[in-house]
Amino acid sequence: EPEVTQTPSHQVTQMGQEVILRCVPISNHLYFYWYRQILGQKVEFLVSFYNNEISEKSEIFDDQFSVERPDGSNFTLKIRSTKLEDSAMYFCASSLERVGIGTEAFFGQGTRLTVV
Amino acid sequence: KQEVTQIPAALSVPEGENLVLNCSFTDSAIYNLQWFRQDPGKGLTSLLLIQSSQREQTSGRLNASLDKSSGRSTLYIAASQPGDSATYLCAVRPGETSGSRLTFGEGTQLTVNP
Repeated sequence: EPEVTQTPSHQVTQMGQEVILRCVPISNHLYFYWYRQILGQKVEFLVSFYNNEISEKSEIFDDQFSVERPDGSNFTLKIRSTKLEDSAMYFCASSLERVGIGTEAFFGQGTRLTVV
Repeated sequence: KQEVTQIPAALSVPEGENLVLNCSFTDSAIYNLQWFRQDPGKGLTSLLLIQSSQREQTSGRLNASLDKSSGRSTLYIAASQPGDSATYLCAVRPGETSGSRLTFGEGTQLTVNP
């Protein structure tokens, strides 16, 4: 069964460093997303991406964050100058978004980011 | 702003019991509602998707219902098993905009005791 895959599963970085989280969405899906979950808190939306551009972003997704689809399969989240409060589980998701076929969102296993 | 609440926050039941998890949302103008399972430190596994025009969806021992007008959904788990122990999250998608964000509840942490 097709699945969303994320790498790495765990990333430790020093405060102020840049990190890139990588995702391979399901191949025929059209929309890609990043969410995060700070330990003990709700899953929060960061950004959605369609047709090579951001379609929606939350107030969390400020200039520190950027997303990119560098090739036909990968989708990345870059966090510049990481802060302690960026420590969280980051989830990538994708959905097909065609009316009548389905709009179910499928999530990856997550990347646990720890900023020290 | 859409708010999603799940009750109870935690639930512990003996194996074999039927149980109901509740989800409520403040804005009834939703496109769909999705129930997920999350195991500790793991990703989100989609269990059921209910479109706004539907009243319920079933998958095996799971049945999810949706009452959009009252802003409520329930997840019914029949004949619970220890393997069902996990956190269950509900999430709603607003309006009819493609690719719109999901808003999540806090989750219900379920423990099924052998």
